[in-house]
Amino acid sequence: EDKVVQSPLSLVVHEGDTVTLNCSYEVTNFRSLLWYKQEKKAPTFLFMLTSSGIEKKSGRLSSILDKKELSSILNITATQTGDSAIYLCAVEGYGGSQGNLIFGKGTKLSVKP
Amino acid sequence: NAGVMQNPRHLVRRRGQEARLRCSPMKGHSHVYWYRQLPEEGLKFMVYLQKENIIDESGMPKERFSAEFPKEGPSILRIQQVVRGDSAAYFCASSPPVGHEQFFGPGTRLTVL
Repeated sequence: EDKVVQSPLSLVVHEGDTVTLNCSYEVTNFRSLLWYKQEKKAPTFLFMLTSSGIEKKSGRLSSILDKKELSSILNITATQTGDSAIYLCAVEGYGGSQGNLIFGKGTKLSVKP
Repeated sequence: NAGVMQNPRHLVRRRGQEARLRCSPMKGHSHVYWYRQLPEEGLKFMVYLQKENIIDESGMPKERFSAEFPKEGPSILRIQQVVRGDSAAYFCASSPPVGHEQFFGPGTRLTVL
């Protein structure tokens, strides 16, 4: 059965800290891995990763995929209170599961002032 | 460019009533996906539709649930004879052709009394 596991489930840090969130997956015919940020509303898109070893970066956030280890990490440097949210990892496969994102349970990040 | 729109944002139904949730995709997007999020759970895929076609409904309960995406108008997720276990947040997402990131709407929070 296809699945996505995120760790840790929750994390509390102070402003300025750097955090690393983990995502591991098992999926038939992997196509892409996506990261979303969810506050009290819609998940907002962060990154889509398809190739191993290529870092994607947006401001203080970056992410990289390791297809050999079936995993991805999301890094946030110099965290701010506005980074507090649930970070969701999702995986899409080809074929029958195309279009069907399989989500992990998320990592709840709390950034204290 | 308006994002994905969902209405209503909050819906309260009594057991046995019908719930209709609407989703208007982003302009230019012809693919719509519905997900359900239960408390303390990750997002779970329900159904994937293109205009006038259901592509994948593998995540949809076999009874009481149906979805459509007509040629004109929004996509509708319909839940007949609701039960308390249907209480959840229902998110809609849209994308251009598959292989692109999915953008999420703000969700409809359904409460069944």
